[in-house]
Amino acid sequence: TQLLEQSPQFLSIQEGENLTVYCNSSSVFSSLQWYRQEPGEGPVLLVTVVTGGEVKKLKRLTFQFGDARKDSSLHITAAQPGDTGLYLCAGYQASNDYKLSFGAGTTVTVRA
Amino acid sequence: GAGVSQTPSNKVTEKGKYVELRCDPISGHTALYWYRQSLGQGPEFLIYFQGTGAADDSGLPNDRFFAVRPEGSVSTLKIQRTERGDSAVYLCASSLTRRDTQYFGPGTRLTVL
Repeated sequence: TQLLEQSPQFLSIQEGENLTVYCNSSSVFSSLQWYRQEPGEGPVLLVTVVTGGEVKKLKRLTFQFGDARKDSSLHITAAQPGDTGLYLCAGYQASNDYKLSFGAGTTVTVRA
Repeated sequence: GAGVSQTPSNKVTEKGKYVELRCDPISGHTALYWYRQSLGQGPEFLIYFQGTGAADDSGLPNDRFFAVRPEGSVSTLKIQRTERGDSAVYLCASSLTRRDTQYFGPGTRLTVL
């Protein structure tokens, strides 16, 4: 059982469309991270959010941390085929500041 | 600079056999972690090393799994009497200290026939 629930599990969209991936939990996290993983590779960190309500932007990607620090979202504007990949959210709880708890991931496919 | 490397990249073994998976962390990183990623799932924590010692091995599934880091650098994950359910990608990560960003290796895909 994973602490973080991601939705949707799969997402297939046309190039140029927008998409949002959600990461939810009943537990509070001291920080949440978003990773992207390509086939045959390990996860690569995209962003870390620490403060409740925080919004971070990375080019066309916008990340938000919920006010209660239990949820997060990743929004991609004008998706491109290069955005295709597995997106994982992961968090640290205050009691274990070294142990990442991951969601199951969202597989995003952007069709040209 | 060099990232985290893992060998082998793929390992196929038969049920009941013993396997060793190796992780070379980024030079100078004191913290090292092992995770296991099953098909369609996110990585799950197995064990955390601070230097040479296993600071938290609470994620190891059972006593068939063991990991060492004798000199505080390279780590080996050892699995005895492998079972088909052990098939997964085993990921290693390292960080400068326990509170810093974890950098992941490419993983070892273990298949137990």
